Amino acid sequence: NAGVMQNPRHLVRRRGQEARLRCSPMKGHSHVYWYRQLPEEGLKFMVYLQKENIIDESGMPKERFSAEFPKEGPSILRIQQVVRGDSAAYFCASSPPAIGHSNQPQHFGDGTRLSIL
Amino acid sequence: AQKVTQAQTEISVVEKEDVTLDCVYETRDTTYYLFWYKQPPSGELVFLIRRNSFDEQNEISGRYSWNFQKSTSSFNFTITASQVVDSAVYFCALSEENNAGNMLTFGGGTRLMVKP
Repeated sequence: NAGVMQNPRHLVRRRGQEARLRCSPMKGHSHVYWYRQLPEEGLKFMVYLQKENIIDESGMPKERFSAEFPKEGPSILRIQQVVRGDSAAYFCASSPPAIGHSNQPQHFGDGTRLSIL
Repeated sequence: AQKVTQAQTEISVVEKEDVTLDCVYETRDTTYYLFWYKQPPSGELVFLIRRNSFDEQNEISGRYSWNFQKSTSSFNFTITASQVVDSAVYFCALSEENNAGNMLTFGGGTRLMVKP
């Protein structure tokens, strides 16, 4: 029973390149969340997606960042033209649909550590 | 708006000491969930506990215990007889029921160092 799978575990990019981070949710989970953890800080919510829909992207930077969760395949967080300040750990979490009015707990992947040279 | 504050950025104890990590939260919702996660040096997030706002009963799990006080909006975490393997960053988090989803708001974390 695989958990949330993120890859790559570590990613190194040069300034100006693109970074693509992948997240495969747990089986049966249709909700995906992305969080960013800057060095020495807590995690900050970025975006919440369901299959083919972005539900809440209030935590996403307005430029260069995008996320998708296609009908088939993993969720992708894409960062274009990366800068040094994008260096962080990016965590994905997934949850099943809510039951009635009760939200379901999130399960986290091990994160992708992005380093920008 | 929701907010989580972990005032202790770093705590250092000697093995076998008890240690309490503080967590204070703010929310306007009457229904919400509180969480604790452990982040060891390897970097992954380890889920420890989830409590809903209607359950104020304290919980004990082995050497871990949690004290939920709605009156002071606190959800403190105590490790009894600490061990070196407890060294990690611990995060408290909050999720409100009436979010469109259940995104988590994290505190800044408390780094716990347990020395032999």
